[in-house]
Amino acid sequence: AQSVTQPDIHITVSEGASLELRCNYSYGATPYLFWYVQSPGQGLQLLLKYFSGDTLVQGIKGFEAEFKRSQSSFNLRKPSVHWSDAAEYFCAVGASRDDKIIFGKGTRLHILP
Amino acid sequence: GAVVSQHPSRVICKSGTSVKIECRSLDFQATTMFWYRQFPKQSLMLMATSNEGSKATYEQGVEKDKFLINHASLTLSTLTVTSAHPEDSSFYICSAVGQGRGRSNQPQHFGDGTRLSIL
Repeated sequence: AQSVTQPDIHITVSEGASLELRCNYSYGATPYLFWYVQSPGQGLQLLLKYFSGDTLVQGIKGFEAEFKRSQSSFNLRKPSVHWSDAAEYFCAVGASRDDKIIFGKGTRLHILP
Repeated sequence: GAVVSQHPSRVICKSGTSVKIECRSLDFQATTMFWYRQFPKQSLMLMATSNEGSKATYEQGVEKDKFLINHASLTLSTLTVTSAHPEDSSFYICSAVGQGRGRSNQPQHFGDGTRLSIL
């Protein structure tokens, strides 16, 4: 069965600092991987996705993620965070584009001024 | 702009009433829609998979008689919470998978969610 682990429940970084959010997945075949962001009381916004091809994926808002099959990881990175990046971030995995998505428990990002 | 519309965005009602939530794909046909539930400060949990013209597939532990799902057209799926109680209060989010031309590499599109509060 598919599963996603986000080991960090909370992360705090200073504005302007770099960011890396960790995500590990469990799936027998090549997974479809996603990162979503959710602001309080809001819906989900897709930051980026990996379906196939280049393992370094560029997303919106300056985010990127790298798919590492050997480590079963899909970590999200941003070189310089902004106060507006404070939100909940969810890593997710699916068996295909059309399949249900399994979400990790999320990482709450706090930004220090 | 939004490609999946979810309505209502927020609903407050008394215990014992039934509440219907609509999920519409605005500019594409969706043979498959998914319904998720999110408790405060928790992750999204899949409740069911809704396929147009057939019965929904519910995840383990989700009461199908409590959460009625209807997917009567290629652009509309509804979730009805029957005889709602305070423990049903939650954030419900739908997603839709597009079909057809230009959609082969598009991920699921999520609605903005419905905040359900049962008094």
